[in-house]
Amino acid sequence: DGGITQSPKYLFRKEGQNVTLSCEQNLNHDAMYWYRQDPGQGLRLIYYSQIVNDFQKGDIAEGYSVSREKKESFPLTVTSAQKNPTAFYLCASSPSQGARDTEAFFGQGTRLTVV
Amino acid sequence: GIQVEQSPPDLILQEGANSTLRCNFSDSVNNLQWFHQNPWGQLINLFYIPSGTKQNGRLSATTVATERYSLLYISSSQTTDSGVYFCAVGGSGTYKYIFGTGTRLKVLA
Repeated sequence: DGGITQSPKYLFRKEGQNVTLSCEQNLNHDAMYWYRQDPGQGLRLIYYSQIVNDFQKGDIAEGYSVSREKKESFPLTVTSAQKNPTAFYLCASSPSQGARDTEAFFGQGTRLTVV
Repeated sequence: GIQVEQSPPDLILQEGANSTLRCNFSDSVNNLQWFHQNPWGQLINLFYIPSGTKQNGRLSATTVATERYSLLYISSSQTTDSGVYFCAVGGSGTYKYIFGTGTRLKVLA
């Protein structure tokens, strides 16, 4: 089945630790995205990548880092510099802007809790 | 950047009722999607509709790009329609999808 897989589903982190959230897609999409959702709120863009080895900061990139070494994979690292990392993290992918249809699809999300 | 406003913020319906959700955006867009977020947080794609009208069962959507708004219609609502409905837009020359704050729908049996 084609889709986007995020892991783990739940993640607990101690203060001061870095953690990495995984996102893999087999839709052959060029673009991938990371969003953060706080309780009762909408989604805010952290980072996005249009192509392998290239990525841009979104609206709330501070305290996060990403890499895009493979088309299928776009891992997100939540660093100790992120002051309030407890949130729901969603990964998405879409075809390139040059495609006729650039519909985005989302993974099932990772709930990160700082303990 | 583009601003996205959704209305109403909250909506409570009796099962079987119809409803209209609205999404206004502040600039021209190349992409527009409607999503339903279920109680487990999963975002379900409803429509990819940068312009025109589409229908899928009890749901339909219309985007009037020149007037910068989109509408999502839910007919004969069911309790399983409960959740949060998001509108997301992407502007010209950008990959960034901007989300509205959502409409929280509760359908009562």
